[in-house]
Amino acid sequence: AQSVAQPEDQVNVAEGNPLTVKCTYSVSGNPYLFWYVQYPNRGLQFLLKYITGDNLVKGSYGFEAEFNKSQTSFHLKKPSALVSDSALYFCAVRAPGTGFQKLVFGTGTRLLVSP
Amino acid sequence: GAGVSQSPSNKVTEKGKDVELRCDPISGHTALYWYRQSLGQGLEFLIYFQGNSAPDKSGLPSDRFSAERTGGSVSTLTIQRTQQEDSAVYLCASSSKIRAGGRQETQYFGPGTRLLVL
Repeated sequence: AQSVAQPEDQVNVAEGNPLTVKCTYSVSGNPYLFWYVQYPNRGLQFLLKYITGDNLVKGSYGFEAEFNKSQTSFHLKKPSALVSDSALYFCAVRAPGTGFQKLVFGTGTRLLVSP
Repeated sequence: GAGVSQSPSNKVTEKGKDVELRCDPISGHTALYWYRQSLGQGLEFLIYFQGNSAPDKSGLPSDRFSAERTGGSVSTLTIQRTQQEDSAVYLCASSSKIRAGGRQETQYFGPGTRLLVL
């Protein structure tokens, strides 16, 4: 069965500093990996995804993520954090070839960017 | 174009009552998903519709939960005899047709319905 772990409940970073939100996964075969962001009282917004190809994926709002197969990780990064990046971030995985399209989500990481 | 819409945005009900939650997917999207986000937990898959195929109901937590998708578009999630543990945010998502080879199309989420069972 596929699973996702987000080991940090919360990440604190000062505005202008680089940020990393960690995600590791467990799945049979090559995974499809996603990052979503959730602002207060809003639904999930798609940030980026890795399907195949380059291990470094660039997404919305200046975010990027690096797929590392040997470490089974897909950490979300941004070179310079903004206060407006403060939100709840979810990593998700889907195993290809399962016949089902559901995403398995991590428990989320709250990012707080201080001015 | 318009995104995924859900109604109502908030619902307060009494234990034992039935509730219906509605989802309007993005126009042209053939796949529709329901997830549940409980306080302090991640998102939990409930049910998945793809075109005219039989839905994947593997995530429904009990037989009190059911969902329909009429005309391949709008979906309704029904919870019968609601319990306090059903309190959560119910999120709907849609995606376009799965491409040949099973490439994962991005799921786009609605704003959710916040359900509170008293």
